[in-house]
Amino acid sequence: EAGVTQSPTHLIKTRGQQATLRCSPISGHTSVYWYQQALGLGLQFLLWYDEGEERNRGNFPPRFSGRQFPNYSSELNVNALELEDSALYLCASSSGFPPGQETQYFGPGTRLLVL
Amino acid sequence: DAKTTQPTSMDCAEGRAANLPCNHSTISGNEYVYWYRQIHSQGPQYIIHGLKNNETNEMASLIITEDRKSSTLILPHATLRDTAVYYCIADYGQNFVFGPGTRLSVLP
Repeated sequence: EAGVTQSPTHLIKTRGQQATLRCSPISGHTSVYWYQQALGLGLQFLLWYDEGEERNRGNFPPRFSGRQFPNYSSELNVNALELEDSALYLCASSSGFPPGQETQYFGPGTRLLVL
Repeated sequence: DAKTTQPTSMDCAEGRAANLPCNHSTISGNEYVYWYRQIHSQGPQYIIHGLKNNETNEMASLIITEDRKSSTLILPHATLRDTAVYYCIADYGQNFVFGPGTRLSVLP
């Protein structure tokens, strides 16, 4: 069974540009989560999508946004890139069942570098 | 903020059991304890989770105290490939808050 996949693996942008990161969940999983891991820091929760809807959002500015498509894949968009947005962006998926035990399975991440 | 506290780092000899402690004194009754590990900036890997009872799978064992205020992840025979940052999370499903974790170094 294929795991969570993310693309691209690496992305280089300049300050002020927009970045789009993509995630395909494990087949049958309906929830997608996005996390940011800046160099030397822990994982920070960004966004949670389930059944096409944004369910929860971490403490990030509105220029971090995303969406979930009918096939449950997801896109994370970061507008007006800043140098401090350079980080490893991780996507995870879960089946949403059973309630309270939504084990999240992570992809390999997209490493974004903002110059 | 994370609901768990873990030691910053630990060493373990190769072939010995690695016992990683985690404190979660404010855990709610319906919150599970999850363990993940992250090897050198790869995506975190799920290890095990539990609610009240001790759990075991092919990777590890999870021992949760009766009062649920702490737990221990046990890697029965640590190998060099188990060197990683181990995260303990106490949460109800979706809202995972990762702390800094424990950096486990398995030494030859």
